Amino acid sequence: EAQVTQNPRYLITVTGKKLTVTCSQNMNHEYMSWYRQDPGLGLRQIYYSMNVEVTDKGDVPEGYKVSRKEKRNFPLILESPSPNQTSLYFCASSLSDNYEQYFGPGTRLTVT
Amino acid sequence: GENVEQHPSTLSVQEGDSAVIKCTYSDSASNYFPWYKQELGKRPQLIIDIRSNVGEKKDQRIAVTLNKTAKHFSLHITETQPEDSAVYFCAASRRGNNRLAFGKGNQVVVIP
Repeated sequence: EAQVTQNPRYLITVTGKKLTVTCSQNMNHEYMSWYRQDPGLGLRQIYYSMNVEVTDKGDVPEGYKVSRKEKRNFPLILESPSPNQTSLYFCASSLSDNYEQYFGPGTRLTVT
Repeated sequence: GENVEQHPSTLSVQEGDSAVIKCTYSDSASNYFPWYKQELGKRPQLIIDIRSNVGEKKDQRIAVTLNKTAKHFSLHITETQPEDSAVYFCAASRRGNNRLAFGKGNQVVVIP
């Protein structure tokens, strides 16, 4: 089954404790992206990747890191989480930047 | 960068009536316009998209129209049903820009 998976689905953590949210896709997609969703603000892009070892900033990259060492994986790293990073995070993948994006199930992150 | 705005933010319709959501975009070079539907607690999923070389596209009860001169595109849902109740996001991108800019979303409520 073609899919995008994310782990964990839910995470409660404390300020400053490094965490990683994993994202994996099995569709051989070139393009992958991370979004955060906050009430009233829609979906805002954090980082994206056009291919292995090629990543770039989206609209709200501050406080986040990503890596793309393999085509299928695109982890999101929060080196020192803060409460304003409490949000719903979605990973997505697509053939290219101008095609349908397939979203993962989402990760609900709470930073206290 | 691209700025996408959606109106109205909330739309209530009687079951069986039509719903129309309009989006405006700022970048005249944008050429890809998808619409995503997000049901409560679920991930966004593509329902229809249109490219700038066509003015209208239809898929059963859903249609999208594009006015490049005015830089707006609209989602039309006919014969609405309770399962159409969701948040709808429009987005815009242009080839090579590597970015998909989302609007803030419209809550559509279909009243039985």
